[in-house]
Amino acid sequence: SQQGEEDPQALSIQEGENATMNCSYKTSINNLQWYRQNSGRGLVHLILIRSNEREKHSGRLRVTLDTSKKSSSLLITASRAADTASYFCATDSPGNTPLVFGKGTRLSVIA
Amino acid sequence: DTAVSQTPKYLVTQMGNDKSIKCEQNLGHDTMYWYKQDSKKFLKIMFSYNNKELIINETVPNRFSPKSPDKAHLNLHINSLELGDSAVYFCASSQTRNEQFFGPGTRLTVL
Repeated sequence: SQQGEEDPQALSIQEGENATMNCSYKTSINNLQWYRQNSGRGLVHLILIRSNEREKHSGRLRVTLDTSKKSSSLLITASRAADTASYFCATDSPGNTPLVFGKGTRLSVIA
Repeated sequence: DTAVSQTPKYLVTQMGNDKSIKCEQNLGHDTMYWYKQDSKKFLKIMFSYNNKELIINETVPNRFSPKSPDKAHLNLHINSLELGDSAVYFCASSQTRNEQFFGPGTRLTVL
């Protein structure tokens, strides 16, 4: 069953601006992961945040997790045209369950 | 070196035909997956193999049969193709539940 729901579905910003994408999920998780998919390519893992963590940074990426609200956000600072892609959250839940991906946010960064 | 490779990249075929997609990973991972991404970009797990053994089999028609001849390969055979099978199929591999590595995808078009 579908777990993560990203919003917005699409986001268009100017180069240099920050981009924020949100993900909501329904059940308890071990961790939440964010992936990027460039057009016509496979997904690439960006960052993982564990259920006992609240915030994590990696370069221009900042991820937050609020388990009480069952939500996460991905912030990309100082965006570049090369950040144009679809971004997916994926939740890893306890037990022998598969990683469940959301529908993604399409980000367009205009130079 | 390509970590996870798939062949073919594009596959166009008639309804009713049987086709196969091949996947190989050179990362030494124990677990491999097949995902289906539909036209709305929704990514859904189909199968997961760990050390050549099937561990996840989501609700997928019997026409889809995965085969893992060894830990580095996971092929997908599809019988009696239907229009609704048109999608992009991704192979992925992982060693832990913390990160999956995706292949470039195979775009299947059933006419």
